[in-house]
Amino acid sequence: QSALTQPASVSGSPGQSITISCTGTSSDVGGYKYVSWYQHHPGKAPKLMIYDASNRPSGVSDRFSGSKSGNTASLTISGLQAEDEADYFCSSYTRSATLVFGAGTKLTVL
Amino acid sequence: QVQLVESGGGVVQPGRSLRLSCAASGFTFSSRVMHWVRQAPGRGLEWVALISGDGDNRYHADSVRGRFTISRDNSKNTLYLHMNSLRTEDTAVYYCARDRGDWQLDSWGQGTRVTVSS
Repeated sequence: QSALTQPASVSGSPGQSITISCTGTSSDVGGYKYVSWYQHHPGKAPKLMIYDASNRPSGVSDRFSGSKSGNTASLTISGLQAEDEADYFCSSYTRSATLVFGAGTKLTVL
Repeated sequence: QVQLVESGGGVVQPGRSLRLSCAASGFTFSSRVMHWVRQAPGRGLEWVALISGDGDNRYHADSVRGRFTISRDNSKNTLYLHMNSLRTEDTAVYYCARDRGDWQLDSWGQGTRVTVSS
């Protein structure tokens, strides 16, 4: 199972919006609603930010939103803040009954 | 609150074995599917294994199948990863994580580091 495709890095200034894409296939992202996004500050526990492609868990800021179209999911962060600087990973359930992650995107807040 | 604390990592020679543990608290452990996920240095996250709440169903990634075994002891609220025939490419930080019910992970530990080196 190949990793989902994410850009290696994105950046934005405080207050701006950024979008991170996550591209898979019809056997994973395109075939199931079970697409998640995780925020990972190095050395800390990863945190679930989006589940079912577009739902936010309780306690996650509404500045974070998700969407999916075909084989590509997207995470948008609006009103960028310094504390948003982290690595972001997408994941999807797959037809093979496994879980596949993206390679991760490093977000830099300028 | 939900807490997951991994332990058991360290430096081990290729071909040797290691057992990781994950102590869970703050929720009904036996009712939740649990996972192990790892991150090699400079790499992304890689799913390793899943186990059902009662322990009867287990899935392992192709990269570890036949060498690693996920297990759990619900009487001790503890998840395990038994790792045999370790390879240098198994070097990673290993995380345990709780499944929200649909292969999406709503709580994670901080990880334990495993280094396989001669």
